Amino acid sequence: GIQVEQSPPDLILQEGANSTLRCNFSDSVNNLQWFHQNPWGQLINLFYIPSGTKQNGRLSATTVATERYSLLYISSSQTTDSGVYFCAVGEKNQAGTALIFGKGTTLSVSS
Amino acid sequence: EAQVTQNPRYLITVTGKKLTVTCSQNMNHEYMSWYRQDPGLGLRQIYYSMNVEVTDKGDVPEGYKVSRKEKRNFPLILESPSPNQTSLYFCASSLSRGIGGYTFGSGTRLTVV
Repeated sequence: GIQVEQSPPDLILQEGANSTLRCNFSDSVNNLQWFHQNPWGQLINLFYIPSGTKQNGRLSATTVATERYSLLYISSSQTTDSGVYFCAVGEKNQAGTALIFGKGTTLSVSS
Repeated sequence: EAQVTQNPRYLITVTGKKLTVTCSQNMNHEYMSWYRQDPGLGLRQIYYSMNVEVTDKGDVPEGYKVSRKEKRNFPLILESPSPNQTSLYFCASSLSRGIGGYTFGSGTRLTVV
């Protein structure tokens, strides 16, 4: 099945810093999402981005489907950005297949 | 507000006592699924449903049941819970096969003692 690798596994930042999280996947996808899991365990959908670029406030994401990677940019980080960021993909042409999650990037932002 | 609602958020129960975790979505989504999240194992799919009365097993279905009698609801049933089902559970829905992305519920933290 499709493999999803995220890097870095851990990231420690000072408030105000910028960061880039990467997601590599091993096959064609029909769905790619970035999620933030907050300290309370909730999975917050950040972007649905199987291709192209999107921006939402301080966050933006780019997926280059032909090269099988996606990037999540966090600018001017805040302590509330702390948590685990997951990339998840759905395999193309696989009806009913689960979203395949990467292992996540754990982000800690200190003030 | 478009959302997936799970209940309860937290549950502590005893081994063997049947329980149901409810999931409801208000987006008229066809596709719904259940995941469990465990440390070191990540998120794994338990069951999914592509439409009313259509359900199928995911990667870890043992010990669980589901039903899809109405489009909006997709309850997860543990007939005889065991301690290895202690986990964080998520319900998710999408328009169709993930197109447009999945919306996840807030999670149910289940402890079986």
